Amino acid sequence: GQQLNQSPQSMFIQEGEDVSMNCTSSSIFNTWLWYKQEPGEGPVLLIALYKAGELTSNGRLTAQFGITRKDSFLNISASIPSDVGIYFCAGRVYGGSQGNLIFGKGTKLSVKP
Amino acid sequence: GAGVSQSPRYKVAKRGQDVALRCDPISGHVSLFWYQQALGQGPEFLTYFQNEAQLDKSGLPSDRFFAERPEGSVSTLKIQRTQQEDSAVYLCASQTGPSTDTQYFGPGTRLTVL
Repeated sequence: GQQLNQSPQSMFIQEGEDVSMNCTSSSIFNTWLWYKQEPGEGPVLLIALYKAGELTSNGRLTAQFGITRKDSFLNISASIPSDVGIYFCAGRVYGGSQGNLIFGKGTKLSVKP
Repeated sequence: GAGVSQSPRYKVAKRGQDVALRCDPISGHVSLFWYQQALGQGPEFLTYFQNEAQLDKSGLPSDRFFAERPEGSVSTLKIQRTQQEDSAVYLCASQTGPSTDTQYFGPGTRLTVL
């Protein structure tokens, strides 16, 4: 099935460092979402974006909906050990099915104390 | 309960067996989704219900996969004649209604087909 291009695949960082990850698509998206998944659990929504250029923060997390509507990034500032997990971007293709979310392959984040 | 629950959490099946996976959405949530997540991959959409109506089943990989939500609440994903490539985590998510974007995911059922 169709998936987004998410990078990097994995990151190993020191506690306190900032993190940046992004997603790109060949299709125009009308919604971008960022999720975090921990082992044995389902994804949990972190940030939702609805307009091109929109910049939204949730605590130490900041995400932006790209101007071209084909990309999005997520930044995490001053990382802490509990940030460990897999981060997924997801979105809905413009004109696509109401229910159909398309997910990236995930960025696995490891934080060294 | 407060969240989406799924059962069983783990299922081991022999190739060729039929399995049934259950999802209990958040009470009152109109929309329900099933996703398949292979190891190391993101979730992939399988099917979508609004109340008891299955509005999109375009992601079901074959006619061995069947989902139902007869009373608009609990949903069951059935896989007939399981194959090894069916091994994955099956995630269920529910949403207040079609006009919102917050999908609440359950913990998933990990299916292993031997």
